Amino acid sequence: GENVEQHPSTLSVQEGDSAVIKCTYSDSASNYFPWYKQELGKGPQLIIDIRSNVGEKKDQRIAVTLNKTAKHFSLHITETQPEDSAVYFCAATAGGSYIPTFGRGTSLIVHP
Amino acid sequence: KAGVTQTPRYLIKTRGQQVTLSCSPISGHRSVSWYQQTPGQGLQFLFEYFSETQRNKGNFPGRFSGRQFSNSRSEMNVSTLELGDSALYLCASSTPEEETQYFGPGTRLLVL
Repeated sequence: GENVEQHPSTLSVQEGDSAVIKCTYSDSASNYFPWYKQELGKGPQLIIDIRSNVGEKKDQRIAVTLNKTAKHFSLHITETQPEDSAVYFCAATAGGSYIPTFGRGTSLIVHP
Repeated sequence: KAGVTQTPRYLIKTRGQQVTLSCSPISGHRSVSWYQQTPGQGLQFLFEYFSETQRNKGNFPGRFSGRQFSNSRSEMNVSTLELGDSALYLCASSTPEEETQYFGPGTRLLVL
């Protein structure tokens, strides 16, 4: 089955810095890669996603890149703000599976 | 459109008891998935229901079961509770047309 590795497990940055979270996946059949943000006491919320026919996608301060050949994808957050502090999860879904495999999560701490 | 709702939000049980958790998906979503989230194991897939049928199942013992009703609402049941079942149980819904899963706030279960 699919295996998703996520690094780092903890990331501490100063407000205004950029943050990068990296994930690798094992199943070449995976073609959908969502990223979720989970705040304390809440369920994961989708923040951005990318499909395998696209190399990069941006949404304001958030961007995701995908390298299908290397089987890795990354989340980039620019101009970080204290409200970006949360746990971020990457996931990979194989076509037709409907069930994503999640990474272990990255705790992002943005210091004011 | 209302999001995924889960009840109850918090639950305390003792070992050996059983528990039933409820999930109401986003209107129009026919797929409901359940996940167990713990600090040590991350997000682990329990099972997925689609049109009242279990379509996918994770690697959990038979003490964990679920069902889906004709209105797409779903319940999961855990029998003979163990201390290790203490976790946040998340429900997510999706449509057949897209792979994106939308999560509810979760039910936090504490087994004493």
